[in-house]
Formats: sequence, structure tokens, C-alpha cells
Amino acid sequence: GEDVEQSLFLSVREGDSSVINCTYTDSSSTYLYWYKQEPGAGLQLLTYIFSNMDMKQDQRLTVLLNKKDKHLSLRIADTQTGDSAIYFCAESSKFGAGTQVVVTP
Amino acid sequence: DTAVSQTPKYLVTQMGNDKSIKCEQNLGHDTMYWYKQDSKKFLKIMFSYNNKELIINETVPNRFSPKSPDKAHLNLHINSLELGDSAVYFCASSRGLAGGFSSSGNEQFFGPGTRLTVL
Repeated sequence: GEDVEQSLFLSVREGDSSVINCTYTDSSSTYLYWYKQEPGAGLQLLTYIFSNMDMKQDQRLTVLLNKKDKHLSLRIADTQTGDSAIYFCAESSKFGAGTQVVVTP
Repeated sequence: DTAVSQTPKYLVTQMGNDKSIKCEQNLGHDTMYWYKQDSKKFLKIMFSYNNKELIINETVPNRFSPKSPDKAHLNLHINSLELGDSAVYFCASSRGLAGGFSSSGNEQFFGPGTRLTVL
């Protein structure tokens, strides 16, 4: 299977929380990343987590890392329409397939 | 000032032609990358250079040849273009190797992408 896997689609109502999940296989990376790609644009870093941490919070974003299960998640609180985008989980230079998040009013 | 820039933004060409895409970063980073994003949005690493030295060379046809004249530039030359080469190509850079240790996280900064269409 792929080195980094994530679900392909998430639909969420405005104001609710979004949770995007990711699993990876290589545990040697020091950091794991979440990137956001808006339509027609390049990727922008959202946040990253050091591999010896299990949680990182940054305003509306919470990253949870379960190193034992090689599972990474991104929670977006109070999801807004501007959060509609594709979210990529990345371990080193390996990227997941991206999760398309659609925020509905 | 744009941190990572690519030219051209759009490239439409015929099958069999040779074309180049240029990338420049003004962030003082040591590592640069080329990624290919297909129509389903899958993003695949193609090449990575660290201090002008090739460090990642994924299974990419020999028709693709990266060139790094200096740390700030990583160009991609493609010979004998094929229909399947149509995609968006992203250049990126990072302070050190993505995934490696750095006080700042070694995150990658991406260019705006070059949409290549082969007819």
C-alpha cells in the first residue's frame, strides 16, 4: 500500500469540527506535516508536529499523533467556508492522496 | 517578494517536444524538490536536491532530468513529452531535508505550480 494514507473526502457543516485522519508507515521522520491546497494554488503549510509529541494546538487546529499506531489526525474547530480545500498529510517528502474538505452552510 | 517561483505557469505543447520548467527560491534554503500532481490530486515526489546534490530520485522516466546550477535554482527538463506527462508540477524548498531535524521544522515551501498540457 501507499506510505501515507488518508481518507479522500469529508463534508462538514459550517461551525462544526472537522477531523482528518492519516496513517503512515515510516517512523524515522522527525516531523509530520499538514498542508492545505486551495483550488488552483500550491500547497501551504498549516502545521507540523515533532515526532516525540503527541499533541499540538495552534488556534483552531489540533494535531494528534499516535506514534505507536502511526496515526496522525488534524482537527479544525469551528470550521469555516474558507477551510474548504484539500488537506495533505506528509511524512518527510511522502504525501498522502489528500482529503477534500467541503464546508456546507 | 515570492519565496518560491516557477516559470512558466502554464505550458501547452505537442507530444514529442522538449520543454523546461524553471524554479527559483529566495529563502536561502538548502533543499529543493520537484513534485508531480496528477488530475486526481495525487502528489508524488520526483526529485530532491540538497546543496546542489541529488538525494532523491524516484522512479521517474529518464526523459526527466533535473538540473541545479546553484542552491537557489532547480530546473526540470523533459525530453520527448508524452500525453501522460500532463499534470501540474510543483517546485518546493526547505531549510534542510523534510522530515529531518531542524529547530524550525523543515517544512516545505511550495511554488504556485506549472500546469503542463501535452497535446
